[in-house]
Amino acid sequence: EAQLVESGGDLVEPGGSLRLSCGGSGFTFSSFNLNWVRQAPGRGLEWLAHISYGSTVIHYAESVEGRFTISRDNAKNTLYLRMNNLRPEDTAVYYCAREKYYDYWIDLWGQGTLVTVSS
Amino acid sequence: DIQMTQSPSSLSASVGGRVTITCRASHDISNFVVWFQQKPGKAPTSLIHATSSLQSGVPSRFSGSGSGTDFTLTISSLQPEDFATYYCQQYKTYPYTFGQGTRLEIK
Repeated sequence: EAQLVESGGDLVEPGGSLRLSCGGSGFTFSSFNLNWVRQAPGRGLEWLAHISYGSTVIHYAESVEGRFTISRDNAKNTLYLRMNNLRPEDTAVYYCAREKYYDYWIDLWGQGTLVTVSS
Repeated sequence: DIQMTQSPSSLSASVGGRVTITCRASHDISNFVVWFQQKPGKAPTSLIHATSSLQSGVPSRFSGSGSGTDFTLTISSLQPEDFATYYCQQYKTYPYTFGQGTRLEIK
């Protein structure tokens, strides 16, 4: 069964940094485009970043461009999100999400990992 | 960026009833819309992609329609497990954007 599992969420002070990881299993990780999506407490879904299967194409939401970096290691079946200069408004559950092969819609989500930015 | 305006933000309905949720895109997105269901404390799950294609395993009481800028999700014969929050999302172009969500509650 295909699965994504996030880790790395934590309590961090404003201005701090954090790296999230997302491990994939049950599918050919290196063949799929991946995304990060977040959800602030009690709020809706916000798309953050996309990386193509070979890391050649990357897109960011304006709200995180310049602070967050998406990357992947296909040899380790792992997606990353490096988050710098964190702000209280970055507090959210962060999900990794897979795009359907050659079809671009999100067909698989991880369970999410909570990032709390607070002093 | 493409804005997705979803309505209503919440609605109440009875088991066995029928509801319709709408999403309007700020630009023509052809049929590149996916609908998600999210239950409290859980990750979203996909219901319908390409406007009207039902995801495998999703009951046929869920249906989608539309094209261009106007899209709808209809749930007929509501079941207790359908009470959740629903989101539309466009995948025509990056940045991907979501509607604000519709919370469906039991009347």
